[in-house]
Amino acid sequence: TQLLEQSPQFLSIQEGENLTVYCNSSSVFSSLQWYRQEPGEGPVLLVTVVTGGEVKKLKRLTFQFGDARKDSSLHITAAQPGDTGLYLCAGISSNTGKLIFGQGTTLQVKP
Amino acid sequence: NAGVTQTPKFQVLKTGQSMTLQCAQDMNHNSMYWYRQDPGMGLRLIYYSASEGTTDKGEVPNGYNVSRLNKREFSLRLESAAPSQTSVYFCASSENVRGVTTNEKLFFGSGTQLSVL
Repeated sequence: TQLLEQSPQFLSIQEGENLTVYCNSSSVFSSLQWYRQEPGEGPVLLVTVVTGGEVKKLKRLTFQFGDARKDSSLHITAAQPGDTGLYLCAGISSNTGKLIFGQGTTLQVKP
Repeated sequence: NAGVTQTPKFQVLKTGQSMTLQCAQDMNHNSMYWYRQDPGMGLRLIYYSASEGTTDKGEVPNGYNVSRLNKREFSLRLESAAPSQTSVYFCASSENVRGVTTNEKLFFGSGTQLSVL
């Protein structure tokens, strides 16, 4: 079974701090996506990374795809309370073409 | 912009009862999906429909049936609900079948919180 392991599972920080969320697997993915989900809502796509080593920036969020396309990270600079939510990574397996979700990282940013 | 609309938002069932979760999208997408979300488990695919008239099993299909009524609508039915089916259910849609393009983007509904007592 292919798995995407996210770490940490829970993160509680103060406003203004920086943080990094990791998404790791032993399998290769043709692309990897990051979603954010707010309470009572469905996930919303933030970014898709496709090329090994690719870095994408979305305001204070920086997403990186590992060189071997087996892992990814999400870095948030100067976190704000509005960043609070569940962050999910999801990868399309190079072998099966199936989309697999990680278990999620719950982020709480305190004012 | 409605996007993906799911009904109902909340539902409580007794063990053995049946119900149908409704989903409709207005983006003219070809593919639709049903996921369940449980704490610590992420999103798991129940069934999907690559195009109108086709349906396929996902990772956790047991205890569920689906119907792709037309291009817009994709329903999920629980014939005999069990406590293990207590979960939050999400419907999603995408323009193409996932995996066909590496830039596949899923659009999710706001979910149905189901409790089976």
